[in-house]
Amino acid sequence: AQTVTQSQPEMSVQEAETVTLSCTYDTSESDYYLFWYKQPPSRQMILVIRQEAYKQQNATENRFSVNFQKAAKSFSLKISDSQLGDAAMYFCAYRINRDDKIIFGKGTRLHILP
Amino acid sequence: NAGVTQTPKFQVLKTGQSMTLQCAQDMNHEYMSWYRQDPGMGLRLIHYSVGAGITDQGEVPNGYNVSRSTTEDFPLRLLSAAPSQTSVYFCASSRTGLKGYTFGSGTRLTVV
Repeated sequence: AQTVTQSQPEMSVQEAETVTLSCTYDTSESDYYLFWYKQPPSRQMILVIRQEAYKQQNATENRFSVNFQKAAKSFSLKISDSQLGDAAMYFCAYRINRDDKIIFGKGTRLHILP
Repeated sequence: NAGVTQTPKFQVLKTGQSMTLQCAQDMNHEYMSWYRQDPGMGLRLIHYSVGAGITDQGEVPNGYNVSRSTTEDFPLRLLSAAPSQTSVYFCASSRTGLKGYTFGSGTRLTVV
């Protein structure tokens, strides 16, 4: 079975500091995508960043970057210069290209301390 | 473009009642799916569709039916609501073989 594990149910970080959210996944597939989604209190699901498994280079989007370790099946999200607006639930997700389903982890709630 | 539109945003049902959650997208996306979100459980896939006339079950399909008669619409039917179906429901869509999903704003359903 394909699974996504987020081992940190909650995390806190001081404003302007850097925080890393962990994610591991389990698959026997070789062709897949990985995602981080943000869900603020508004409940809207927002795509933060994505990574194609065939790319060795880690994806970056402004203050957000990933550390993709394919052999270890690890996909962590680093948020630099944390801002109050980053407070949200963050979901790691995985999609195999064979059937387009996206499997989500259980989420990490991130608190930003002023 | 409206993106993915879900209606209603909130709903209260009595046990045993039936209802349909509506989902429509105007992006000509082939792939559509329904998830439910429960505290501590993340998002779990209920049903999905890779195109008009094609649907398949996800992780938690029991108690729900879907159909996909057009590319734009993917309604989710609760046949006989149970308190265990109290949840937030999300509809999402994407082009097949491409990137991530676009999500609707969700429906908060309470079954009493």
